[in-house]
This record gives sequence, structure tokens and C-alpha cells, in this order.
Amino acid sequence: RKEVEQDPGPFNVPEGATVAFNCTYSNSASQSFFWYRQDCRKEPKLLMSVYSSGNEDGRFTAQLNRASQYISLLIRDSKLSDSATYLCVVNPPGTYKYIFGTGTRLKVLA
Amino acid sequence: GAVVSQHPSRVICKSGTSVKIECRSLDFQATTMFWYRQFPKQSLMLMATSNEGSKATYEQGVEKDKFLINHASLTLSTLTVTSAHPEDSSFYICSVTDSNQPQHFGDGTRLSIL
Repeated sequence: RKEVEQDPGPFNVPEGATVAFNCTYSNSASQSFFWYRQDCRKEPKLLMSVYSSGNEDGRFTAQLNRASQYISLLIRDSKLSDSATYLCVVNPPGTYKYIFGTGTRLKVLA
Repeated sequence: GAVVSQHPSRVICKSGTSVKIECRSLDFQATTMFWYRQFPKQSLMLMATSNEGSKATYEQGVEKDKFLINHASLTLSTLTVTSAHPEDSSFYICSVTDSNQPQHFGDGTRLSIL
């Protein structure tokens, strides 16, 4: 089983749609979780950290389910500019290392 | 503003050449920096953890003699790809962390070996 798994997509959605991505992780002791956004041929940029109680930043909501070992990202009212690859990142315990998922590609269509 | 500066952004060179990539932490002193590699349509894979003043820690399968890492100061780490070959062509990205904060990534270096 991969340490971090994501559906690669692509998810093609119309503008204004709501879309959700899930990501599962294998190390139940992992403590820190993040969503990064990566545009084509660019570096990853932090979208949001994921907190145990769930957190929201504008149109973006992140949730953590420790029992089932997955995190999710919900994007409401999708914009064309949301088109990118969304990377799920898990920080295993006792290290500053990041384990990246393969990313989920989102295309928002006009 | 930028937290990490990575240079160069693009390198095209002949097989057998050694290539040095620099990663600078602009906002804080970074005792730890990370080097990643990303092949097309794949995820970022950690190559090594760069530790200021000590040897780098390499991930399994990464040749330490081929990918030389030097972290001589708290703001600069360098990755040298020695005797590069076409299969080393990839997107190399560094990141820095301030202990409890999320990692910030450099702009990446696109390396093409002919």
C-alpha cells in the first residue's frame, strides 16, 4: 500500500461547481497534513494545512478523518483559476519529511 | 515575498557534465532543507535531507556520490548532479522549513541532459 494515495483524476468540472478530493494515508501516527497546489511546470504552493477539527479558508474546506485515515479538500464555486494539480501531503511522526501523493488534477471548464 | 530562492531555473547541458543547483532560504535560518525530484506526471519524491554543518541524509535508492549535497551555511544548500546523464533529466526542487511551519518550496530547476 502506498504511503499516500490520491485519485489522479482528471476531474473536469464546470465553473461554479463544487468538487471534493480525498486522500488516504497509511501511517496512522502521522500528525501533520497539508494540501498543496501545483500548476503545470511550477513548484508546489501551500494551499492550506489540515487541522483535526477541520478548517476553512474562503471557498476551500479541509477535513481530517483519523479513524479512516483520510483527508479531504472541498472546493466550492470553482473558478477557472482553480485548475491545477492538488497534492496531498503527509508528515510522518518524528521527522520533518513530507510524503507527497501523486496529485489530483482539476480542470475547471468555462 | 519569496521565502526560498532556487537557481538556476533551467539547465540544458551535455551528458557527463556536472550541474550545481543552489537553494537559498531568504526569510529565516534553515538548519534543514530538503531536495526533491519530480519526473513528468509523477509526484515529488524526496531525495535527501540537507543538514547544516553535517552530512546529508539520503533516501533509499538515491546515490550519495552522484547527488552531492553541501549545506555550509544556515541559508544555503547546494545540490550537485555529478556526471549527469539523460535519465537524470528531471525537475529538482528544494524546500525549507522553520521547524513547526509548513515547507516552502523554491521555484525548481528544470534539468535537461542531452
